[in-house]
Amino acid sequence: GAVVSQHPSRVICKSGTSVKIECRSLDFQATTMFWYRQFPKQSLMLMATSNEGSKATYEQGVEKDKFLINHASLTLSTLTVTSAHPEDSSFYICSARYGTGTYGYTFGSGTRLTVV
Amino acid sequence: AQKITQTQPGMFVQEKEAVTLDCTYDTSDQSYGLFWYKQPSSGEMIFLIYQGSYDEQNATEGRYSLNFQKARKSANLVISASQLGDSAMYFCAMREVLTGGGNKLTFGTGTQLKVEL
Repeated sequence: GAVVSQHPSRVICKSGTSVKIECRSLDFQATTMFWYRQFPKQSLMLMATSNEGSKATYEQGVEKDKFLINHASLTLSTLTVTSAHPEDSSFYICSARYGTGTYGYTFGSGTRLTVV
Repeated sequence: AQKITQTQPGMFVQEKEAVTLDCTYDTSDQSYGLFWYKQPSSGEMIFLIYQGSYDEQNATEGRYSLNFQKARKSANLVISASQLGDSAMYFCAMREVLTGGGNKLTFGTGTQLKVEL
């Protein structure tokens, strides 16, 4: 249980184009989803928290207009990297909180973005 | 703000031996949760074990156990009978409850574990 499906797993795009990454909760309702960015050999850095039906909360230093997050339903959150540049190349991974009381966090399988 | 510290960038262990991965944390909250995740080279984050701040017993899940020392603010992961498939990056994380009722995970820098024959 508590599975999050993330697509695509890998994407290569040209500079200046936009890329959309989807995360779907398959067997539970994800009222809150988290988007992380991870550089090679480094830790996960939280980019933003999205709550279903409301605007995402971005961490300090994360450009809202570059990383558009939409959480329109209880099972789908999307991250769109707009006008991508090579420095946006990274591993992006989503996470959702599940359960009540002592709750946990389940993760998508990640998306490796390469901007050329 | 909460902080998670993992002081071992890399660890080696021989197959079938036990290994301890260190994690210390800093928080002023009374209620918090500590997690360990495994990240193989493929990138997915695999949940291993959870310890609540009010749990009196150390958490165990199969070959994984958490050595929780609240006074020292440490939550070390112990992997018994290491297997080659345990080679991966391991992250310690703390759940932080935010003002307004939200929550988020704060991660340590990770420990790269390599299991050798």
